[in-house]
Amino acid sequence: NAGVTQTPKFRILKIGQSMTLQCTQDMNHNYMYWYRQDPGMGLKLIYYSVGAGITDKGEVPNGYNVSRSTTEDFPLRLELAAPSQTSVYFCASMEGGQETQYFGPGTRLLVL
Amino acid sequence: GQSLEQPSEVTAVEGAIVQINCTYQTSGFYGLSWYQQHDGGAPTFLSYNALDGLEETGRFSSFLSRSDSYGYLLLQELQMKDSASYFCAVRNTGGFKTIFGAGTRLFVKA
Repeated sequence: NAGVTQTPKFRILKIGQSMTLQCTQDMNHNYMYWYRQDPGMGLKLIYYSVGAGITDKGEVPNGYNVSRSTTEDFPLRLELAAPSQTSVYFCASMEGGQETQYFGPGTRLLVL
Repeated sequence: GQSLEQPSEVTAVEGAIVQINCTYQTSGFYGLSWYQQHDGGAPTFLSYNALDGLEETGRFSSFLSRSDSYGYLLLQELQMKDSASYFCAVRNTGGFKTIFGAGTRLFVKA
């Protein structure tokens, strides 16, 4: 199993551009999460999903959108990128009834 | 609301024991989790306490006291590779959101 994979690994965006961060898991987990981590800080929940077609906002959803059309994929969309969105983005998945989240390797995003 | 408090940094000597504390404020939760993150890496799961008491996994142990809204991670026989950030996290009952603390950076010295 590959676990949780994320693409791209690194991206530079100009202010106002948009992009989609990809996340795929092959563990058939129902729960998936998007976090952002600013330097020296903890993880902030952006959006989460409890299954295909079901998503909900986390702590810091503004400026982002998500969709969950399949169990495997949970893309994060940035519209109108801003410097405040410069961060490392982690996707995670978890099996229902469990408490262990499995994280992807992260996407480093720089908005200039 | 929910909040978790951890010390920002802890320094210890190789071979020693270190305790990383976590205090939380939340209205009902499933349990307390701990994650490790090395610089440039992704968080990885270490342990989970659903019930009060001590859970042991090799050199790492984790403790929870719901009455005191407090938990800790205990690392024994410290090794240089244990230098990393450690995060406590909670997930509310009736919800699916997981909230992480700001993390404790552990420096292990030779």
